[in-house]
Amino acid sequence: DGGITQSPKYLFRKEGQNVTLSCEQNLNHDAMYWYRQDPGQGLRLIYYSQIVNDFQKGDIAEGYSVSREKKESFPLTVTSAQKNPTAFYLCASSIQGRNTIYFGEGSWLTVV
Amino acid sequence: QKEVEQDPGPLSVPEGAIVSLNCTYSNSAFQYFMWYRQYSRKGPELLMYTYSSGNKEDGRFTAQVDKSSKYISLFIRDSQPSDSATYLCAIRNSGNTPLVFGKGTRLSVIA
Repeated sequence: DGGITQSPKYLFRKEGQNVTLSCEQNLNHDAMYWYRQDPGQGLRLIYYSQIVNDFQKGDIAEGYSVSREKKESFPLTVTSAQKNPTAFYLCASSIQGRNTIYFGEGSWLTVV
Repeated sequence: QKEVEQDPGPLSVPEGAIVSLNCTYSNSAFQYFMWYRQYSRKGPELLMYTYSSGNKEDGRFTAQVDKSSKYISLFIRDSQPSDSATYLCAIRNSGNTPLVFGKGTRLSVIA
């Protein structure tokens, strides 16, 4: 099936540890995005990438890092520098120049 | 002023009611308007997309855009319990810029 796969669905980590969230898409989409969702905050953009080997910071990039070595993959690393990492993380993708984006099912990260 | 304002609710209505969900935006350069529906603990799914002022209808859903007032609405007719979800408006000003999302309105339709 075509779609966006995020893994793991649920992840628990100790404070101070880096963690990497996976996002893979087989839709042949050019652009990929990472959003963070907190209760009452809506979706906030962390990073986005419009082509391979290139990415831009979003509104809340501090404490996060990404890579885009392949068109299909856009992993997000939540580093120990992120002060409040517990949240719901959403990956999305779109065809370049199109206005709609499509989301994965999300990853829940809890840092204890 | 935030780029997109959306009342977070929660909004609770009886089954069969007409629901009106709204967003306002501040930047007149925004051209493309979307509504996403998000069920609890799931990723958002695209519900409606429009790029011009006026109405667009899809089944029980109608998206309305008033660019002069910078106001967009989503109407749900004959609401069902399965419509219970969070509804997010999303806006962008060109094909290559990221979407800007509202905070979402949580809707409950009571049987």
